[in-house]
Amino acid sequence: DAKTTQPPSMDCAEGRAANLPCNHSTISGNEYVYWYRQIHSQGPQYIIHGLKNNETNEMASLIITEDRKSSTLILPHATLRDTAVYYCIVRAPGGRAGNMLTFGGGTRLMVKP
Amino acid sequence: GAGVSQSPSNKVTEKGKDVELRCDPISGHTALYWYRQSLGQGLEFLIYFQGNSAPDKSGLPSDRFSAERTGGSVSTLTIQRTQQEDSAVYLCASTLEETQYFGPGTRLLVL
Repeated sequence: DAKTTQPPSMDCAEGRAANLPCNHSTISGNEYVYWYRQIHSQGPQYIIHGLKNNETNEMASLIITEDRKSSTLILPHATLRDTAVYYCIVRAPGGRAGNMLTFGGGTRLMVKP
Repeated sequence: GAGVSQSPSNKVTEKGKDVELRCDPISGHTALYWYRQSLGQGLEFLIYFQGNSAPDKSGLPSDRFSAERTGGSVSTLTIQRTQQEDSAVYLCASTLEETQYFGPGTRLLVL
């Protein structure tokens, strides 16, 4: 799986959009971009994923650049409950042990009142 | 709908005792993973079940660790003769296609 680079931490004001960047310059053509988050003392939570088109669901939007070398996760109206570590992962379908996940350092998002 | 559930949520045990951790995956999910996460660390893959295929046990750290999945649904992770370094959060995930959905984890503390 390709390596990703994320800023270690970010702050966001409550009610504002949180834009979390991720660089994945070595991404391959069949690798998807996945985002998960982990709120303190809880299991990881799936947020969204995409291949090359922008995606939106009830939690967030995912913007992938045309060259697919970077992406941005957007939480449109951040709340205090969105404070968590956000992980960007790129992975191809299948692979070792099916599609086991490995998390890098992630971005620690702090939403402030 | 119901997500992945795990029990117990917390387990404190004495060194040398055996423990069993349970995972109930989302109904209809054919693949199930066990991971563990030490404090402040990333995910460590332990074992993977896919349908009726033989499980991938390549992540199990020692032969004290074993897991089974009965009837393609519920899974149990067993740790024999627990050691203090086994203390961690044990996470279970089930998969629909490529997306993994995690349970809340079991916090294991070995004294």
